[in-house]
Amino acid sequence: NAGVTQTPKFRVLKTGQSMTLLCAQDMNHEYMYWYRQDPGMGLRLIHYSVGEGTTAKGEVPDGYNVSRLKKQNFLLGLESAAPSQTSVYFCASSYAGSSIYGYTFGSGTRLTVV
Amino acid sequence: KQEVTQIPAALSVPEGENLVLNCSFTDSAIYNLQWFRQDPGKGLTSLLLIQSSQREQTSGRLNASLDKSSGRSTLYIAASQPGDSATYLCAVRLSGNTPLVFGKGTRLSVIA
Repeated sequence: NAGVTQTPKFRVLKTGQSMTLLCAQDMNHEYMYWYRQDPGMGLRLIHYSVGEGTTAKGEVPDGYNVSRLKKQNFLLGLESAAPSQTSVYFCASSYAGSSIYGYTFGSGTRLTVV
Repeated sequence: KQEVTQIPAALSVPEGENLVLNCSFTDSAIYNLQWFRQDPGKGLTSLLLIQSSQREQTSGRLNASLDKSSGRSTLYIAASQPGDSATYLCAVRLSGNTPLVFGKGTRLSVIA
């Protein structure tokens, strides 16, 4: 049981380059989320999705786009990377409308923009 | 806007000590609260989840309590061990379809 898988685990980008981070979950979760974690800032929500084909903005969405074409996958795109986007990115998923079950997190993607 | 605060930001204790980590939140109408552990360079591992109707949850040496009226939760760790050294994060959810809001965490060091 893989849970939540993020690829790649590490990446270095030059300013202005683009890339896509992939999150895949095999738990049939309806909801999926992208967070970034920065020193002293904690985890901040970028975008999230409550179902296939739906996305919503979080606290820090600027500079990012997302897509949820399949229930099990949630993609995070950076169209033109900036040094301010250097961070560790975490994907998470959860069931819809259940207070019993919480989030499951992936292991993260460490992105450096130079 | 829900805000979550964790105090202290860092804590160092000798092995064997019982300790309490604190979490406070501004909106008491929460759906559930989740405690996570994060080891350096790793992802988040869920420790305990407390539903809004519950007062506490226990797992092994860990006990999490919830007091919605005062906007507080505590994570109690009994007989701490060096392997407990990690950052502990508290997060709350206001409804079933709203995302978790995280505190900045407490970095715990247990000294052998």
